[in-house]
Amino acid sequence: DGGITQSPKYLFRKEGQNVTLSCEQNLNHDAMYWYRQDPGQGLRLIYYSQIVNDFQKGDIAEGYSVSREKKESFPLTVTSAQKNPTAFYLCASSPIPGQFTDTQYFGPGTRLTVL
Amino acid sequence: DAKTTQPPSMDCAEGRAANLPCNHSTISGNEYVYWYRQIHSQGPQYIIHGLKNNETNEMASLIITEDRKSSTLILPHATLRDTAVYYCIVRVEVGALNFGKGTSLLVTP
Repeated sequence: DGGITQSPKYLFRKEGQNVTLSCEQNLNHDAMYWYRQDPGQGLRLIYYSQIVNDFQKGDIAEGYSVSREKKESFPLTVTSAQKNPTAFYLCASSPIPGQFTDTQYFGPGTRLTVL
Repeated sequence: DAKTTQPPSMDCAEGRAANLPCNHSTISGNEYVYWYRQIHSQGPQYIIHGLKNNETNEMASLIITEDRKSSTLILPHATLRDTAVYYCIVRVEVGALNFGKGTSLLVTP
């Protein structure tokens, strides 16, 4: 089945540790996105990538880093510089970046808790 | 992207139609209206989108007013599994979808 995979579903880390969240898609989509969601809030964009080896900062990129070495993979690293990393992290992909009808499809999310 | 206004919550009886309104009075001529929903602790799910004509798919119908300043998402026969937060988004730019707080729809037996 085609889709977006995020692993793990739940992740616990100690304060001060870097952690990398996985996002893989087999939809052959060009664009990929990382969002963060806090309780009772909408989604906020962290980073996005429209093509391999290129990515742009979103609204809340501070304390996060990404890479896009392969079309199907877009891992997100939450660094120790991120002040409040506990949140629900969502990865998405879309087939036609730059078009008005570009529809984003989301993965199941990773819930990160920093202790 | 234009801003949207949605009621924070709505109720609907199972089997009845759920009509979710959205105001987007500052929408531009080339901005599309998108609807997503998010069931608790899951990733958002795409429902439908449109520009100015009414649209229908297997999940829902989208009715856009002639002046394009508002729209309504219709779930024709709501089920308990339709309980979710529904987001109305208008967009023209590449990049992120601007998710607000959406409408929390509760479908009751």
